[in-house]
Amino acid sequence: EIVLTQSPTTTAASPGEKVTITCLASSSVSNMYWYQQKSGASPKLLIYSTSSLASGVPDRFSGSGSGTSYSLTINTMEAEDAATYYCQQWSSNPLTFGSGTKLEIK
Amino acid sequence: EVQLVESGGGLVQPGRSLKLSCAASGFTFSNYYMAWVRQAPKKGLEWVATISTSGSRTYYPDSVKGRFTISRDNAKSSLYLQMNSLKSEDTATYYCARRHSGYDWGQGVMVTVSS
Repeated sequence: EIVLTQSPTTTAASPGEKVTITCLASSSVSNMYWYQQKSGASPKLLIYSTSSLASGVPDRFSGSGSGTSYSLTINTMEAEDAATYYCQQWSSNPLTFGSGTKLEIK
Repeated sequence: EVQLVESGGGLVQPGRSLKLSCAASGFTFSNYYMAWVRQAPKKGLEWVATISTSGSRTYYPDSVKGRFTISRDNAKSSLYLQMNSLKSEDTATYYCARRHSGYDWGQGVMVTVSS
């Protein structure tokens, strides 16, 4: 099973600040997916195939990486971005998720 | 607009069974792999099952293999999860999800396993 380790576990950012969340895979994966989950809501796809923006997602979000190291970046933090973010891989069965990064607004 | 609406959750005793349903609309259901993903209270996401477009192939993690069965009815645009021999650790919100370039998710349904 591929284990995805996210860091940081929790972080806070001021409006306008840049935020980077990292996802390290225990073995190489071909792509990474990122989801945003706001309190009380279901997850929402942000980034697919490592760096492609899902429909309707603001372009302040971006994804990058390869092999075992991937990242999600929010270029300029906004209050509405406060949420928990999860990475996901399905290169190898079983499909696995990272443990999540809680992002708060300062 | 893609809509996934789960139902069938509730409180169930350990060892008993429960069947979840997911009604899909807004897309051609038979063209997509579908999945169930769960989230225990205050915890992260855990994949539970995936089914191919025709239903001929199913996949499960070890944690539910042999106890849970995913199925689909393409004529009814519906996805199901039969859960047997339920344990307290199966307590979670269960999401129905459509696999495309990523996953689209329903609103989720709560399952509580407790005596």
